[in-house]
Amino acid sequence: AQSVAQPEDQVNVAEGNPLTVKCTYSVSGNPYLFWYVQYPNRGLQFLLKYITGDNLVKGSYGFEAEFNKSQTSFHLKKPSALVSDSALYFCAVRDPLFSGGYNKLIFGAGTRLAVHP
Amino acid sequence: EAQVTQNPRYLITVTGKKLTVTCSQNMNHEYMSWYRQDPGLGLRQIYYSMNVEATDKGDVPEGYKVSRKEKRNFPLILESPSPNQTSLYFCASSKRTSGEQETQYFGPGTRLLVL
Repeated sequence: AQSVAQPEDQVNVAEGNPLTVKCTYSVSGNPYLFWYVQYPNRGLQFLLKYITGDNLVKGSYGFEAEFNKSQTSFHLKKPSALVSDSALYFCAVRDPLFSGGYNKLIFGAGTRLAVHP
Repeated sequence: EAQVTQNPRYLITVTGKKLTVTCSQNMNHEYMSWYRQDPGLGLRQIYYSMNVEATDKGDVPEGYKVSRKEKRNFPLILESPSPNQTSLYFCASSKRTSGEQETQYFGPGTRLLVL
């Protein structure tokens, strides 16, 4: 079965330090991977996606993610964390079972990032 | 501004009282979807629609209905809400293509409490 795991419920980082939010996936076929962020009382905002090509994907707000096929991982990273990065982060993979425009996303449980001043 | 809108944003209701959560997008997207978000479970798909008059069940459809009479609107209907439907609901939309993955855009969410 297709699945996404975010092994950490919460990640705590000091402002200015690098951050990593982990994601591993299990999917048949080529994975299409996404990161979304949810700020308090806001909807989900798209950060970045991996479809094919370069394993290092750059996205919004200075975030990037590294696709590692051998480790089936897609960790989210940022070189220098900001307090305003504090939010709930979701990793997702597109369900590969369907095609033709079917766009179901399978989400991880989410990781809460807390950046302290 | 390209966006997905949902109404209401917050709703408190009682068991058995029918309600509708509206969703509208202005991007001319074919694909629309409803998810519910619960702590520790992430987001799970309730229903989706590939185009007008084309809807199908997602992973957790029990207790919900949808309709897609117009391309821009995709309302979620709870005919007889129960407390286990207390959740945060998101509507999403994207283009429908057969090729590269299209980014899905989400609405701001509707927080529902069923007493």
